[in-house]
Amino acid sequence: EVQLVESGGGVVRPGESLRLSCVASGFIFDDFGLSWVRQAPGKGLEWVADINWSGGTFNYADSVKGRFTVSRDNAKNSLFLEMNGLGVEDTALYYCAKKNLMTSVAPAAFDVWGQGTMVTVSS
Amino acid sequence: EIVMTQSPATLSVSPGERATLSCRASQSVSSKLAWYQQKPGQAPRLLIYGASTRATGIPARFSGSGSGTEFTLTISSLQSEDFAVYYCQQYENRPPLYTFGQGTKLEIK
Repeated sequence: EVQLVESGGGVVRPGESLRLSCVASGFIFDDFGLSWVRQAPGKGLEWVADINWSGGTFNYADSVKGRFTVSRDNAKNSLFLEMNGLGVEDTALYYCAKKNLMTSVAPAAFDVWGQGTMVTVSS
Repeated sequence: EIVMTQSPATLSVSPGERATLSCRASQSVSSKLAWYQQKPGQAPRLLIYGASTRATGIPARFSGSGSGTEFTLTISSLQSEDFAVYYCQQYENRPPLYTFGQGTKLEIK
């Protein structure tokens, strides 16, 4: 079964840091690019960061650029999101999502999603 | 930045009837358009990519059309499990790489 499982969410204060992880199974991990997408409570979807299959190309939404860092460890089938300088506006459910296009740096639709990990930033 | 606008915000339709959801891009995204379904407490599910290609396992009652700036998701005969929120998403490869519409809530009439 193709699966993505996120972890690492929690409650932090403004200005603090958090590292999210996403472990994949059921597919050849290093054949596919991945993204992080977040959803604030009761709101819509917002793309956060994207990384290609090799980890050599990444992109960020303007709202997180300079604060968040996406990375991956293909040997461990894992995707990460290092989040620094968190603000209340970063409170959301964070999903990792797999692109449906193999070994490409181009954007693509997301055909597999995890169940998400909740990040709450509150003083 | 490409802005995606979905209409209507809420659509009330009876089971068995047809539902038509719209998505407009502020500039051309060619056919780089996906549709997702999200039910309460669940992750989004890919329905359509490339504007009109159904994802694996998606029933034939779901169809997508359009190109450029105007797109439509049609559900031909609504089943009870289809009532959910639907999002469109562009992936045209211009910054930002991806933008989502604000969603259309499909509710039972």
